[in-house]
Amino acid sequence: DIQMTQSPSSLSASVGDRVTITCRASQSISSFFNWYQQKPGRAPKVLIFAASSLQSGVPSRFSASASGTDFTLTISSLQPEDFATYYCQQTYRTPWTFGQGTRVEVK
Amino acid sequence: QVQLVQSGAEVKKPGSSVKVSCKSSGGSFSTYAVTWVRQAPGQGLEWMGKIIPLFSTPHYAQRFQGRVTINADESTSTVYLELRNLRSDDTAVYYCAREIADGGSYNYFDFWGQGTLVTVSS
Repeated sequence: DIQMTQSPSSLSASVGDRVTITCRASQSISSFFNWYQQKPGRAPKVLIFAASSLQSGVPSRFSASASGTDFTLTISSLQPEDFATYYCQQTYRTPWTFGQGTRVEVK
Repeated sequence: QVQLVQSGAEVKKPGSSVKVSCKSSGGSFSTYAVTWVRQAPGQGLEWMGKIIPLFSTPHYAQRFQGRVTINADESTSTVYLELRNLRSDDTAVYYCAREIADGGSYNYFDFWGQGTLVTVSS
């Protein structure tokens, strides 16, 4: 199975901060890579698909990039509604696998 | 707007089975894959398998092979997940999601059900 390693596992930030989360795949996955946001008690919501494409309706403060097997999600200016857990996912080869999650908490 | 509505919470004994449903509305049901993901309490996301209703051929994660069945009823636009021989570590919220793909560049889950809590306890 393809392993997805996210870092950090949690971070504390303030409203207005720039936040960066990274994810590394255990092998090449091309651009079959997605980012999801999950709030407590809710289903995940896709933010980014195909490594860097912003899902319709997602604010432009979210962006993503890729370099080889390393992927980055950036929130340019953290808003109150962005405190949540973020997951990366590969869909290059089944079983689709997720990172372990990054919890973004209030500082 | 696509909606996926799942069946209600279940409490099961170890060794028994559970069947969770996921009813789709508002979009094309048959041509998109419906995928199942579970999340144990306080844990991350785990993909279990998927089905494209039009083809009725499921694809399972190896670790669930032999214990899971995913099938679809096109007449009711409903996909089902059955998990057998339940153990305490199967306690989780089970989500269905629509998997969208372009055939060569991406696959991702764009609409999700609300989740179904399955509790396995003696």
